[in-house]
Amino acid sequence: NAGVTQTPKFRILKIGQSMTLQCTQDMNHNYMYWYRQDPGMGLKLIYYSVGAGITDKGEVPNGYNVSRSTTEDFPLRLELAAPSQTSVYFCASSYSGWGNGYTFGSGTRLTVV
Amino acid sequence: DAKTTQPNSMESNEEEPVHLPCNHSTISGTDYIHWYRQLPSQGPEYVIHGLTSNVNNRMASLAIAEDRKSSTLILHRATLRDAAVYYCILRDVPGGSQGNLIFGKGTKLSVKP
Repeated sequence: NAGVTQTPKFRILKIGQSMTLQCTQDMNHNYMYWYRQDPGMGLKLIYYSVGAGITDKGEVPNGYNVSRSTTEDFPLRLELAAPSQTSVYFCASSYSGWGNGYTFGSGTRLTVV
Repeated sequence: DAKTTQPNSMESNEEEPVHLPCNHSTISGTDYIHWYRQLPSQGPEYVIHGLTSNVNNRMASLAIAEDRKSSTLILHRATLRDAAVYYCILRDVPGGSQGNLIFGKGTKLSVKP
């Protein structure tokens, strides 16, 4: 199994540009998450989804949008990139139910200049 | 939200046991205790989780105090590959915002040869 796959691994954006960070999982997990991690800091939750068609905001949703049309895919959209969005972005998934562990992707390193 | 307190950093010698402490004095009865680790330049990796009883797996052991207000992650024989940031996280019932993993700054573990 591939687990959680994120693309691209690296990207440089100019201020005001848009892009979509892709995330797909092949474990049939209901729950999916997007986190960002700034240098030297812990992860902050951007958005999460408990199933296809259902999404909700996390701690830091401003400047981002998500959709969940299938169980497998959970793309993160940046509409107007700003330098404050320079970060490493991690996608994760988990089974529903108490106490299940998350599986994380390897991350997308985004720089906005 | 229930929160955890961990030391900022710890050091260990290779092949010696490591005990990583975590305090969670405001834990609720439905909070699971999760541990993740993040190796340099990688996404977080699930280590272990538990509710009330001590837990063992191939990676580590989790010792939970009887009152559940603290726990300890035990690496039985530290290797250089165990050098990482270790996060202790409380997870409530999934599906609502309290069910999401909320990361703190964790404990940075250094392992000396």
